Amino acid sequence: GDSVTQMEGPVTLSEEAFLTINCTYTATGYPSLFWYVQYPGEGLQLLLKATKADDKGSNKGFEATYRKETTSFHLEKGSVQVSDSAVYFCALNGASGSARQLTFGSGTQLTVLP
Amino acid sequence: SQTIHQWPATLVQPVGSPLSLECTVEGTSNPNLYWYRQAAGRGLQLLFYSVGIGQISSEVPQNLSASRPQDRQFILSSKKLLLSDSGFYLCAWSVLGLAGEQYFGPGTRLTVT
Repeated sequence: GDSVTQMEGPVTLSEEAFLTINCTYTATGYPSLFWYVQYPGEGLQLLLKATKADDKGSNKGFEATYRKETTSFHLEKGSVQVSDSAVYFCALNGASGSARQLTFGSGTQLTVLP
Repeated sequence: SQTIHQWPATLVQPVGSPLSLECTVEGTSNPNLYWYRQAAGRGLQLLFYSVGIGQISSEVPQNLSASRPQDRQFILSSKKLLLSDSGFYLCAWSVLGLAGEQYFGPGTRLTVT
């Protein structure tokens, strides 16, 4: 079945540091890929998405490129801010399943220090 | 635009008491609806999903149930809560024809004492 593997957290960075959160996946066919962000005490927000190979999703300074050859969708940001502190989830939507279920990674906690 | 509401926002219930959490979606028709649970410091567990009124699929065996009495209303229930039911409950919706992304509500924090 489909699966998503994220780098283990927690990740602690200083403000303005470069961020990479690794995400790799296993799926049949051509899944859509997503990054979600969850701020403390809140629901998940869709951060960015990519629907086909070589697509680059971007939002709020975050980017991720759909790499089919390496089955990866790593999240990057050039300069993090304290307000980026949150839990980040990588997810995929596989081709199977009528309800279009998402498969989530386990989440990566990011803390940015001033 | 579409919005999703959940209530209550927080709930403290004793073991053995009943539970009813409600989720409603505005601004879209015939959405797929989902209930997730997130234990403290853990990932997301899909509990139920629904593709239409009265159509519920359960992902894990448990003492929880779900119902969809109206197109944009999704209810999570229990007759007798267990301590292990504590967690953060999230409702989400999606629509066929998009890339499959889901949109989440603000969540309900349930503490069973």
